[in-house]
Amino acid sequence: DSGVTQTPKHLITATGQRVTLRCSPRSGDLSVYWYQQSLDQGLQFLIQYYNGEERAKGNILERFSAQQFPDLHSELNLSSLELGDSALYFCASSVGGTGLETQYFGPGTRLLVL
Amino acid sequence: GEDVEQSLFLSVREGDSSVINCTYTDSSSTYLYWYKQEPGAGLQLLTYIFSNMDMKQDQRLTVLLNKKDKHLSLRIADTQTGDSAIYFCAESRSGGGADGLTFGKGTHLIIQP
Repeated sequence: DSGVTQTPKHLITATGQRVTLRCSPRSGDLSVYWYQQSLDQGLQFLIQYYNGEERAKGNILERFSAQQFPDLHSELNLSSLELGDSALYFCASSVGGTGLETQYFGPGTRLLVL
Repeated sequence: GEDVEQSLFLSVREGDSSVINCTYTDSSSTYLYWYKQEPGAGLQLLTYIFSNMDMKQDQRLTVLLNKKDKHLSLRIADTQTGDSAIYFCAESRSGGGADGLTFGKGTHLIIQP
């Protein structure tokens, strides 16, 4: 158990819909990262927040957005969903914000768009 | 091409050593990681190595880094059925800014009895 929690574990929805994925980092960690794992693209970095502020952006679509709240939990919002958004979404956390600290991953949220 | 490359599959016999290889292209990589993903599970951090090190040993795991060739390997001694999983190599880069990890596609480790 990494100490990072994610909810829900599974999510099934329809195209065009919007969903919110939630992540709670390990106690004491200030950074939260979001990753997408799909069969064709592999594991891709989406976005990072550090202490409430956006710190780095990866291959995140404009339809996707994230935020980190004062209690340090984070939410990833996916809107206008398409079939290709079906994937496993991971959250990771680390102590600092440089991106060089070890990242601990949550169990993931499996999203299926029908 | 990809930033981090790994073979897709590796098959070994139980009790033998497994060696999973990875090549990366960014010479500014600061830390290199090995993560393990079991079926239906998240990513478990196995070990990592700082780029100024050549080797790191942790129980059954040995990481070797050849910075000149940008080659990283993970050796698992006395491979057991519980080691069956996908192993991901990942790099984090320096450069003053934060960034996410860059992952390889993962190597499926298959254990033969």
